[in-house]
Amino acid sequence: AQTVTQSQPEMSVQEAETVTLSCTYDTSESDYYLFWYKQPPSRQMILVIRQEAYKQQNATENRFSVNFQKAAKSFSLKISDSQLGDAAMYFCAYRRASSGSARQLTFGSGTQLTVLP
Amino acid sequence: NAGVMQNPRHLVRRRGQEARLRCSPVKGHSHVYWYRQLPEEGLKFMVYLQKENIIDESGMPKERFSAEFPKEGPSILRIQQVVRGDSAAYFCASRGDNEQFFGPGTRLTVL
Repeated sequence: AQTVTQSQPEMSVQEAETVTLSCTYDTSESDYYLFWYKQPPSRQMILVIRQEAYKQQNATENRFSVNFQKAAKSFSLKISDSQLGDAAMYFCAYRRASSGSARQLTFGSGTQLTVLP
Repeated sequence: NAGVMQNPRHLVRRRGQEARLRCSPVKGHSHVYWYRQLPEEGLKFMVYLQKENIIDESGMPKERFSAEFPKEGPSILRIQQVVRGDSAAYFCASRGDNEQFFGPGTRLTVL
């Protein structure tokens, strides 16, 4: 079974600074997807960024980028120029890519990010 | 994603009552997932449905929980004889080609 581990329950960052959230996962699959979701106090799940395992290039979305280390099964999220609106719970998630599977998401336990003004 | 609708947003039930949670997927999506988020935890997969079929219910408790996604109308997650441990946020997600888009969730409180 796949597992996703987020070892940092809480993180804080000064506004305009950079912060990195860690995520490791365990799988025997070779093809899969990894995601970072943001959950603000409204509880809405918002997709931040997505990475396909077969792509070596790290995904980037504006101020958000990932460091994907497939051999180490590590998938960290870097937030640059942090803004107050980035404060939220961040979840790392995994999904198998094979078309025959249900393709449900497996989530980590989350990291609560606080942005300090 | 604003396209997935869930109602009610908040639901209060007393122990032993039934809870019905509704999910309307993004228009045109025929795949629906239900996840449960217990307090201070991540989301856990419960069930995956396509129109009129349950595809994978491996994450759903065998007792008291059921789900459906009829040909017409929303997907329904039904919890019979609720207990305090059922208090959680229940999220629905619909999938098109690849991405899952989440609804705003239903917060169930069991008194």
